Amino acid sequence: GENVEQHPSTLSVQEGDSAVIKCTYSDSASNYFPWYKQELGKGPQLIIDIRSNVGEKKDQRIAVTLNKTAKHFSLHITETQPEDSAVYFCAASLISNFGNEKLTFGTGTRLTIIP
Amino acid sequence: EAQVTQNPRYLITVTGKKLTVTCSQNMNHEYMSWYRQDPGLGLRQIYYSMNVEVTDKGDVPEGYKVSRKEKRNFPLILESPSPNQTSLYFCASSPIPGTGKNYGYTFGSGTRLTVV
Repeated sequence: GENVEQHPSTLSVQEGDSAVIKCTYSDSASNYFPWYKQELGKGPQLIIDIRSNVGEKKDQRIAVTLNKTAKHFSLHITETQPEDSAVYFCAASLISNFGNEKLTFGTGTRLTIIP
Repeated sequence: EAQVTQNPRYLITVTGKKLTVTCSQNMNHEYMSWYRQDPGLGLRQIYYSMNVEVTDKGDVPEGYKVSRKEKRNFPLILESPSPNQTSLYFCASSPIPGTGKNYGYTFGSGTRLTVV
């Protein structure tokens, strides 16, 4: 089955600087890669996702890049703000028009923005 | 408001006492799933359901049961809870790809279960 590794497990960044979280996956058939943000006491919330036919996707201060050959993908947060402090999870999945079988998550990165 | 609702939020129980955690979604999603979250292990899938009466095992199904009699509800049942099932549980739902809807999981707020 799929195995997703996520690094680093903790990351502290000065406010205004950029943060990068990296994930690798094992199953070359995986074609969907979402990122989730989990704030204290809440469930994970989807913040951005990318399909395998795209190399990069951007949404304001957040971007995700995908390297299918190397089987890794990364989350980039620019101009970080205190509200970006949270735990971030990457995930990988194989989906088809018939549905998703399983979303495999990384172990999470606790991001702390230092004011 | 589109949401996934889990109940209860917190539960302390004793070993062997059957319990049910409820999950309901109001988005007409076909796909629903249960995850448990443990420190250092991330989120691991317990069971999932592609539609009514269609369920399948995830990575860690032992000790759990589910049912999907209605599209909106997907309860998680622990017939005989044990201390190693102490965890934070999340229910999630999503539409099926290819239906024209934006694909992505919506998670509930979680249920913190302690088995003593």
